[in-house]
Amino acid sequence: EAGVVQSPRYKIIEKKQPVAFWCNPISGHNTLYWYLQNLGQGPELLIRYENEEAVDDSQLPKDRFSAERLKGVDSTLKIQPAELGDSAVYLCASSMSRNNEQFFGPGTRLTVL
Amino acid sequence: GIQVEQSPPDLILQEGANSTLRCNFSDSVNNLQWFHQNPWGQLINLFYIPSGTKQNGRLSATTVATERYSLLYISSSQTTDSGVYFCAVVRYDMRFGAGTRLTVKP
Repeated sequence: EAGVVQSPRYKIIEKKQPVAFWCNPISGHNTLYWYLQNLGQGPELLIRYENEEAVDDSQLPKDRFSAERLKGVDSTLKIQPAELGDSAVYLCASSMSRNNEQFFGPGTRLTVL
Repeated sequence: GIQVEQSPPDLILQEGANSTLRCNFSDSVNNLQWFHQNPWGQLINLFYIPSGTKQNGRLSATTVATERYSLLYISSSQTTDSGVYFCAVVRYDMRFGAGTRLTVKP
């Protein structure tokens, strides 16, 4: 069974440029999550989707971050414009439902110069 | 929100030694998971254990939900066990502890 797929694995951009990350969850998983992990810390939730509906986006900085999960399968997280402080690893995870076991993708390491 | 505390923050072992990692949480939870983050950053699922005891090879875990803690046991440690171990709990959404960084020396 394929795991959570993310792309790209690495991204280096100049500040003020836009960037997008893509995630394909495990087949059959209705719940999809985006997390942010800063160096030396545990991941922190940005947004949770139940099918195509964003049900918890309270930690998403909405002035520059946006996300979508069209058709309730894969998802895209976008930052526009990127700032130096956005440099981090962006992780996608999925689960069958909210309280079930979560599985993580390999992450996208973003560097903003 | 719920607080998750892991101890110790750092642990250095000689290969072959045993260790216990602890996770305390401040409120009742619906789910608790242990992860190993390898040097490449991948979070590897170790246990899904909201309560009770589970074992997988040299690793085992116990969660006492009524007392709000979980323990991860690593026996006969190997150098490949090195990395960061995270405890994460779900009450409304998943909250991670700060992790325990384990270094196993040959």
